[in-house]
Amino acid sequence: ELKVEQNPLFLSMQEGKNYTIYCNYSTTSDRLYWYRQDPGKSLESLFVLLSNGAVKQEGRLMASLDTKARLSTLHITAAVHDLSATYFCAVVSDGQNFVFGPGTRLSVLP
Amino acid sequence: GAVVSQHPSWVICKSGTSVKIECRSLDFQATTMFWYRQFPKQSLMLMATSNEGSKATYEQGVEKDKFLINHASLTLSTLTVTSAHPEDSSFYICSARGSGRTFSLYGYTFGSGTRLTVV
Repeated sequence: ELKVEQNPLFLSMQEGKNYTIYCNYSTTSDRLYWYRQDPGKSLESLFVLLSNGAVKQEGRLMASLDTKARLSTLHITAAVHDLSATYFCAVVSDGQNFVFGPGTRLSVLP
Repeated sequence: GAVVSQHPSWVICKSGTSVKIECRSLDFQATTMFWYRQFPKQSLMLMATSNEGSKATYEQGVEKDKFLINHASLTLSTLTVTSAHPEDSSFYICSARGSGRTFSLYGYTFGSGTRLTVV
């Protein structure tokens, strides 16, 4: 059974600081997604990582994938308040089903 | 491309009544649709997977007679919560998966969610 873990689960950080969120998964998968969710809203797709060593960047967020270590990271650079949200990673299981991580609730303080 | 529309956005209903939630893929054909529920401050929990023209596959612990899923066309899936009770109150989100190039470009696309409150 595929399990997905995220670390940390809660993160409070000051504006301007950097931090990394980690996503570990238990079995082989070659497709990993990162999503953002604002309170009361659905999921917004951030990144799709399709291969080992994949790195994608959008604004202050950068995601990477290491399929050998079964690890993905979401790095936040010079955080701003607008980045406050819950971030989920999700891994494909059995070819089509998603398994979501528990989410990392990020709060960026002024 | 790959837009999924979900309606309604929120609904309040009385205990014992049924509620239907629609999920439409607007600009692609969704070979597979997924239904999730999410409780406050928790992650998404997959309820069921449906392929067009087939019966839905429900996850363990999800009552198929209570959560009726119909995927009658390649662009529409519906979730009907029958005889709703307060414990069914939750945030329901659908997701659609296209095929071929659509999937390669967009992966899985999520609807905007439906907040159901049963009183």
